[in-house]
Order: sequence, then structure tokens, then C-alpha cells
Amino acid sequence: GAVVSQHPSWVICKSGTSVKIECRSLDFQATTMFWYRQFPKQSLMLMATSNEGSKATYEQGVEKDKFLINHASLTLSTLTVTSAHPEDSSFYICSASEGINYGYTFGSGTRLTVV
Amino acid sequence: AQTVTQSQPEMSVQEAETVTLSCTYDTSESDYYLFWYKQPPSRQMILVIRQEAYKQQNATENRFSVNFQKAAKSFSLKISDSQLGDAAMYFCAFTHRHGNKLVFGAGTILRVKS
Repeated sequence: GAVVSQHPSWVICKSGTSVKIECRSLDFQATTMFWYRQFPKQSLMLMATSNEGSKATYEQGVEKDKFLINHASLTLSTLTVTSAHPEDSSFYICSASEGINYGYTFGSGTRLTVV
Repeated sequence: AQTVTQSQPEMSVQEAETVTLSCTYDTSESDYYLFWYKQPPSRQMILVIRQEAYKQQNATENRFSVNFQKAAKSFSLKISDSQLGDAAMYFCAFTHRHGNKLVFGAGTILRVKS
């Protein structure tokens, strides 16, 4: 089946630094990738949608300059949290889709802790 | 805008028993997909079952089945013969056929008692 690899699985960084999270579709071409943020015992909150070669579409309230998304190829999307602060600490999940008829595959998530 | 509502924050079921998780949604579209995802403590999202709105027959996957009531905009998940491994957070999700953004419900924590 379709596999999405997300790295790192956890990261601790100092306040003010930037962190990059990678999301790769291993055995299919992901026309669209999604980035979610999830707080403990809460639902997934969509941050942005990215299509290969296009600028990401951000959800209302998500800071574009803080959460940089790049989808340079059909198998790789990256999320960079810039100038991270403790309030950015959260669980980030990516998802990839080949198109509506093929469903969605989720990465295993990244736990970010900013100290 | 589409919304998904899961009105049960937590549910409990005895091992080997049956439990039903409820989900309602709101949309003006006639063509769409509905999903149930499971998120165990590992936090990996796992697809449980999927339903196309144009299909009248309810989807079934082994011990998991849905009751899809299109007119009522209801999409409940029935888990039969519950197992300890079924304990997880369950999310109902919706996407429009021609769009591709998933809208999630708030989730239901399912506890399985031995």
C-alpha cells in the first residue's frame, strides 16, 4: 500500500531557531500534500494544502511567514517552522494524496518541542 | 462550508461487544466521500473505512461497518466483536468529490474494557 515517510519523528529546538520537517511519498506520486497540527486529545487542524510546483494555500489564521511549505517534487514536501517559539510546540502531521479516488495516506507525525 | 460533528467525546465498550460511534455532517453538495480514521496512542492515522456518497450500500470492512444515511447526513461507525486493539481516538472526516481538503470531526476516544 501507499506509504508516506515523515521525518524527524520528534525534535527539540531552542526558541528562535528554525526547524524543517520532511514528508515523502515513497511509492506513489503525491499530487497534493497537506500539513496538519494537532494538540493532545484534539482533532487535526489543517494548516495548508500544497500542490507540486505551486505555492501552498494556507488556512485562515495560519501565518505564512512562520510556517513555510515547499512542495518541490511529486514525492517531497517540507514544512519549516521559522523562528520557533514555545507556543509552536505541537504534533505536526503530513498527508499525501494521489487524487480523490486514491484516498489519503498519513505520515507518522513529528512532535516538536521548543524550549 | 462543510462541517463534521462527533457528539461523543468518549465511549466505552466491553471486549467482544459492539459499539457505535456517531457522526453527522453538513454540506450542500451531493457528491462527496466520508471516512473513519483511527488514531491509536502511536498517533499514526489509520484508515478504517470509506464511503462514497453516490453508493447506497453501506461500506463494510471486516468487523467495521457504517450506517450511511444521506438524507439525514449521518455516518455512524459500528465496531463488532470489539478488541483491546480497537482502543483509540476515532475521527470522522469528509471531503468533497471535486475538492481534496479533508474536514475532520472533533474525535471520539474509544476505551475497550477487558
